[in-house]
Amino acid sequence: AQSVTQPDIHITVSEGASLELRCNYSYGATPYLFWYVQSPGQGLQLLLKYFSGDTLVQGIKGFEAEFKRSQSSFNLRKPSVHWSDAAEYFCAVAPYSSASKIIFGSGTRLSIRP
Amino acid sequence: GAVVSQHPSWVICKSGTSVKIECRSLDFQATTMFWYRQFPKQSLMLMATSNEGSKATYEQGVEKDKFLINHASLTLSTLTVTSAHPEDSSFYICSARAGLAGGIGTDTQYFGPGTRLTVL
Repeated sequence: AQSVTQPDIHITVSEGASLELRCNYSYGATPYLFWYVQSPGQGLQLLLKYFSGDTLVQGIKGFEAEFKRSQSSFNLRKPSVHWSDAAEYFCAVAPYSSASKIIFGSGTRLSIRP
Repeated sequence: GAVVSQHPSWVICKSGTSVKIECRSLDFQATTMFWYRQFPKQSLMLMATSNEGSKATYEQGVEKDKFLINHASLTLSTLTVTSAHPEDSSFYICSARAGLAGGIGTDTQYFGPGTRLTVL
């Protein structure tokens, strides 16, 4: 069965520092991979997605993610975080297409230290 | 484009009553809609997949008689929580699939803002 693991429950970084959120997936083939952000009490916003092509994907708000097949990973990065980036981040997979059912990781809560 | 709305955004009800949540695709046609629930500080769990004009497909462990899903049109799906109890209190999020014929030109999934249900 497909699964997504986000090993970090909560991360705190200083404003202006770099960020990397980890994500590992389990699936036989290369699934569709996503990163979503959720602010408190809000819905989900898609940051970026990957299915094929260039393994370094650029997203919105200055985020990027790198797909590494050998490590079954899809880590999210940002070179310099802003206080407004504080939120919950979810890695997700969809086995067939970007329109099929999505399986979410447990989430990583990002806090920003002034 | 590609906006999904949910109504209401929050609702408080008494135990034993039923609550209906609407999910609408505002500017595209959605052949498939998905319903998720999210408990506080937890991830989203898929409850069911709803295809327009047919019965919903429920995930294992989700009571289909308790969570009634109707997808009567290409722009509207409803989730009715019947005989709600405090343990049903949660954040319910829908998403809508914009198929290639849906008017957007891309087959992808868009999420609504969520509905917070509190059962007293």
